[in-house]
Amino acid sequence: SQQGEEDPQALSIQEGENATMNCSYKTSINNLQWYRQNSGRGLVHLILIRSNEREKHSGRLRVTLDTSKKSSSLLITASRAADTASYFCATDYQFYFGTGTSLTVIP
Amino acid sequence: EAEVAQSPRYKITEKSQAVAFWCDPISGHATLYWYRQILGQGPELLVQFQDESVVDDSQLPKDRFSAERLKGVDSTLKIQPAELGDSAMYLCASSLRQNEKLFFGSGTQLSVL
Repeated sequence: SQQGEEDPQALSIQEGENATMNCSYKTSINNLQWYRQNSGRGLVHLILIRSNEREKHSGRLRVTLDTSKKSSSLLITASRAADTASYFCATDYQFYFGTGTSLTVIP
Repeated sequence: EAEVAQSPRYKITEKSQAVAFWCDPISGHATLYWYRQILGQGPELLVQFQDESVVDDSQLPKDRFSAERLKGVDSTLKIQPAELGDSAMYLCASSLRQNEKLFFGSGTQLSVL
């Protein structure tokens, strides 16, 4: 079973625009994490938000967490072509990943 | 910066052959994961180790797949016999402790002909 499900499945935006992707999960969590994957490579950890946090920032990344709705969102501001990748969320419970959001940033 | 090492980077094998993948996690990381990722899909957890013990192998097809981490350090994932549907990227990840962030290797791309 999948613990994290991302939405939308695909997103295409112009460089400089903001990109928002969402994640829903099913169980109680201690933390939720977002990862990025460039084509043909391993995943890279982006940011971790703990269950007692509602919002967290890291550079151009902003993550929110709503434990009552079992959902999280990842906002990438002022996107760049280099942000083109797939983005995944995962809960700390069993680290199951969803199908991800494929982001394309058009220069 | 320390990295998770995986080898080989690419593997081509024929159906019914045996194949093995190796992973060396970041030094000191107690938790190790193996994932399988089919093109266009998310990583699917195959097995999780805590030190040398298996924590979760509920998704591991045990009739043909096996995994070990004998000394609680590096790990080997084996497939015997390989099937066409096993063609995928096999990813290894480690973390310092359970429930902490994962560090991934670059993966082994397996093609079964």
